[in-house]
Amino acid sequence: NAGVTQTPKFQVLKTGQSMTLQCAQDMNHNSMYWYRQDPGMGLRLIYYSASEGTTDKGEVPNGYNVSRLNKREFSLRLESAAPSQTSVYFCASTINGGDYNEQFFGPGTRLTVL
Amino acid sequence: AQSVAQPEDQVNVAEGNPLTVKCTYSVSGNPYLFWYVQYPNRGLQFLLKYITGDNLVKGSYGFEAEFNKSQTSFHLKKPSALVSDSALYFCAVRDMRRDDKIIFGKGTRLHILP
Repeated sequence: NAGVTQTPKFQVLKTGQSMTLQCAQDMNHNSMYWYRQDPGMGLRLIYYSASEGTTDKGEVPNGYNVSRLNKREFSLRLESAAPSQTSVYFCASTINGGDYNEQFFGPGTRLTVL
Repeated sequence: AQSVAQPEDQVNVAEGNPLTVKCTYSVSGNPYLFWYVQYPNRGLQFLLKYITGDNLVKGSYGFEAEFNKSQTSFHLKKPSALVSDSALYFCAVRDMRRDDKIIFGKGTRLHILP
């Protein structure tokens, strides 16, 4: 049982390049989330998916797109990377709508945009 | 709007002493409250949660938290700190009555001094 896995672990991009961050969970969870973590700002929600086939914007969605490929996988795409998107990105999942259930987090992707 | 505050950026405690990491929240209804811990270069790990019932909640690694409705607080505590407790701690809240996502605090770095 791997839990939540993320690839890649590290990435360096130049401004304007695109990339996709991959996330997968093997816990049969319904809901999945993408956060970014910046120093002194805690975690901020980018996008979430309450169930397969649905996605919704979070607090900071600009510059990102997501795809809930199936129940297991939830990817985050940066179409044209900007230095302001330098951050650590975490994927998380929870068993249902997340009302009162804890989230399980992946190990993170450290992204630097030059 | 719901919010959560962790008033201390850093807390230093001598090993063996009791520790407290503070958290206050603001929601319009009743809260769901969570504590997570993040070790270096890792994702967040769930420690404990308050949903309803007993105000004192016990969690992983000997941690506990006390829900205080009148003070809108949910402080994390441990009777005897270990050096291995050194990490970044996040408080999180969700309003039961709103269809909002969970909101994380900015985090408190806990240093346990040998």
